[in-house]
Amino acid sequence: DAGVIQSPRHEVTEMGQEVTLRCKPISGHNSLFWYRQTMMRGLELLIYFNNNVPIDDSGMPEDRFSAKMPNASFSTLKIQPSEPRDSAVYFCASSLSGGYGYTFGSGTRLTVV
Amino acid sequence: GQQLNQSPQSMFIQEGEDVSMNCTSSSIFNTWLWYKQDPGEGPVLLIALYKAGELTSNGRLTAQFGITRKDSFLNISASIPSDVGIYFCAGPDPRTSGTYKYIFGTGTRLKVLA
Repeated sequence: DAGVIQSPRHEVTEMGQEVTLRCKPISGHNSLFWYRQTMMRGLELLIYFNNNVPIDDSGMPEDRFSAKMPNASFSTLKIQPSEPRDSAVYFCASSLSGGYGYTFGSGTRLTVV
Repeated sequence: GQQLNQSPQSMFIQEGEDVSMNCTSSSIFNTWLWYKQDPGEGPVLLIALYKAGELTSNGRLTAQFGITRKDSFLNISASIPSDVGIYFCAGPDPRTSGTYKYIFGTGTRLKVLA
């Protein structure tokens, strides 16, 4: 099993640019989560998809953030326009029907300068 | 808001020593999870606890679900250098129906001196 695959691993971009983070969940998992990790706020859930449908996006910081899951094997998190305060590690995780415990990807470290 | 406080925040220990850490909540939880995060990687699930008083082991790791349901404990016996990392507790957000949304603790950063 390849696990949850995220790309890119590292992204450095200039303020105002659009950033797209990508995630491939574990095959057969029907729940997908995007988390953000910062020193100040720890791990925060941004959005949760179940069967490709967004169920809870209450953690999305603002309209600059958007997430899609066009099919069971792919999801994107987009930030447009990016700001320095968006700098963080973004994790994608997947599980079976919510489930007890997720499998996390290795994360994307985003730096906005 | 809801928080899970972990103690200690960080610790240096000698290889071979036992390690204890805990996680406390202001709310009752019906599930406790313990994760470990290696540098540059995502958290990995170590142990899941489902019942008050439950004691579960995974190799050198032992975790306990506190009787009050507001705390949990993780012990590592005979630590080795690869135990270095950040240990997180997590539990289902009591404000959310269903079990999909987890709150993560503040983390305990462990450093092992060879």
